[in-house]
Amino acid sequence: DGGITQSPKYLFRKEGQNVTLSCEQNLNHDAMYWYRQDPGQGLRLIYYSQIVNDFQKGDIAEGYSVSREKKESFPLTVTSAQKNPTAFYLCASSSPFLGQRRDLYTGELFFGEGSRLTVL
Amino acid sequence: KNEVEQSPQNLTAQEGEFITINCSYSVGISALHWLQQHPGGGIVSLFMLSSGKKKHGRLIATINIQEKHSSLHITASHPRDSAVYICAVREYGNKLVFGAGTILRVKS
Repeated sequence: DGGITQSPKYLFRKEGQNVTLSCEQNLNHDAMYWYRQDPGQGLRLIYYSQIVNDFQKGDIAEGYSVSREKKESFPLTVTSAQKNPTAFYLCASSSPFLGQRRDLYTGELFFGEGSRLTVL
Repeated sequence: KNEVEQSPQNLTAQEGEFITINCSYSVGISALHWLQQHPGGGIVSLFMLSSGKKKHGRLIATINIQEKHSSLHITASHPRDSAVYICAVREYGNKLVFGAGTILRVKS
């Protein structure tokens, strides 16, 4: 079955350590996204990528890094520079909208199960 | 001011009630998504709209592009509908912006 797989589901990190969260999709989607969710708040965009080897910063990119070497994979590294890394991280993917070409329009959005990172 | 505003923030209903959750946005969009997040954190997509109305089972979603407003309706609500419902808009350029979510609790 097609879908998005995030790992690990739970992760504990000591201060000063970098950690990498994995996100893999087999939906053949071009666009992939990383979001952070804090208690009582909406999802905030960290990074997104619309195509392999290209990605853009979202609203809260500081202290994070990503890569998009393969279409299926979009790993997120939480670096030691991220001041408040404890949060729930969600990865998503979708086929992009293709302007007026409604016959090619998809845009359905799929999410992984999330990764909960706790800094000790 | 957030680009996407949802109301209400919290909603408690009795089983069987008709529920409406609203979403207003301020930017030009190519589509709007309604999502459901369960306590474990996983999110599923309920609807994707660019115009008009969609129905799936007891769920109905509408959008008015001119008024920049969408509603999610749940008919004959049930305790298993208890979840966080999130509105997200897709801006031109494929960026997604999310509302803060509406926490729904349906009592039996």
